[in-house]
Amino acid sequence: GAVVSQHPSRVICKSGTSVKIECRSLDFQATTMFWYRQFPKQSLMLMATSNEGSKATYEQGVEKDKFLINHASLTLSTLTVTSAHPEDSSFYICSAWTSGDQETQYFGPGTRLLVL
Amino acid sequence: AQSVTQLGSHVSVSEGALVLLRCNYSSSVPPYLFWYVQYPNQGLQLLLKYTSAATLVKGINGFEAEFKKSETSFHLTKPSAHMSDAAEYFCAVSARNTGGFKTIFGAGTRLFVKA
Repeated sequence: GAVVSQHPSRVICKSGTSVKIECRSLDFQATTMFWYRQFPKQSLMLMATSNEGSKATYEQGVEKDKFLINHASLTLSTLTVTSAHPEDSSFYICSAWTSGDQETQYFGPGTRLLVL
Repeated sequence: AQSVTQLGSHVSVSEGALVLLRCNYSSSVPPYLFWYVQYPNQGLQLLLKYTSAATLVKGINGFEAEFKKSETSFHLTKPSAHMSDAAEYFCAVSARNTGGFKTIFGAGTRLFVKA
């Protein structure tokens, strides 16, 4: 079945550095992918909608210059956390929908980011 | 626009007892509705989904949910709780917009199962 992968699964970085997280749809094409953030003991919050070949759409309160999204192909979206700070430490999860009669949403396994 | 409300951030039941986790939603267009389970330090696992077919949806691990349009509810139930059901449960609503389907999650309900 359809699978969404994320890389890396876990990353630790120093404050001020940038971190790139990849989200791939492994056996289907996704013109749209979504990025979520989940803080400890909280729910998933939608950050942005990643659109293949065009600019991402960010949710209110999410800094587009802080969280750069690139959706360069139909199977890959990347989220770059620029100049990361400890408050950016979180669990980042992407998702993608398959198309057709049985539209289904698949979530990646998540990337845990720890900024020291 | 859509939203989802989960009533009760914590629910505690005894092993073998009925599990009932409540979810109400709002959506300006016909929604898809989901229940996910999340175990500590893990990703999401889909329990079941409603996509405008049968209103009573059966999922994995003995869970089921009933879509009630008149009540805008999609409560999750399981007849008999098992210790392994202890986890965080999220209700989610998806609706089509210009960018495709957009999914919004409820705040989550943590289920505790007592021996």
